[in-house]
Amino acid sequence: GQSLEQPSEVTAVEGAIVQINCTYQTSGFYGLSWYQQHDGGAPTFLSYNALDGLEETGRFSSFLSRSDSYGYLLLQELQMKDSASYFCAVRDSSYKLIFGSGTRLLVRP
Amino acid sequence: DVKVTQSSRYLVKRTGEKVFLECVQDMDHENMFWYRQDPGLGLRLIYFSYDVKMKEKGDIPEGYSVSREKKERFSLILESASTNQTSMYLCASSGGGGGDETQYFGPGTRLLVL
Repeated sequence: GQSLEQPSEVTAVEGAIVQINCTYQTSGFYGLSWYQQHDGGAPTFLSYNALDGLEETGRFSSFLSRSDSYGYLLLQELQMKDSASYFCAVRDSSYKLIFGSGTRLLVRP
Repeated sequence: DVKVTQSSRYLVKRTGEKVFLECVQDMDHENMFWYRQDPGLGLRLIYFSYDVKMKEKGDIPEGYSVSREKKERFSLILESASTNQTSMYLCASSGGGGGDETQYFGPGTRLLVL
């Protein structure tokens, strides 16, 4: 079967760093994406890793290890507005994504 | 800016009714998707389409059908709505070219089936 595992909930303090892990088991693998979704909003794209290593975009970084079937999203200098759900998603074909069940991040003052 | 719009934000229907959810994208994307989102289950793919008149089943197609007569429009049909189809429905599109398969989502339709 195909599965993605990520923690259901993470809590962190404003200004801190938080890491959201994702492990996957899929029949195909083209890359790992991360999406952010605020309550009541649509998921929006954050990052994509096709190759091993770290990709940095401002306060957010994403890491992939294909040999370990593992990736993570790193959020630095947390802000209150970062409170949202974060989904990892494996691109298992040229256009299809398989989503994890999401990690709800709560940022406390 | 990519824009994906969905016909309704909220919808209330009765059991047994036929329900149409419409999705339109304005970026000439090849691929379009319908997901449902339920608490704790993430986004589950119902159907997707990679070209006009082409469709493929996703992970949970039972009770649903789709139609893609024009490139920009992808419709999800609930043939006979049931209470277990109460959910948030999200449409997405991708295929901006150059290997970019980022999916762009619409605002969602929250469907309640009574």
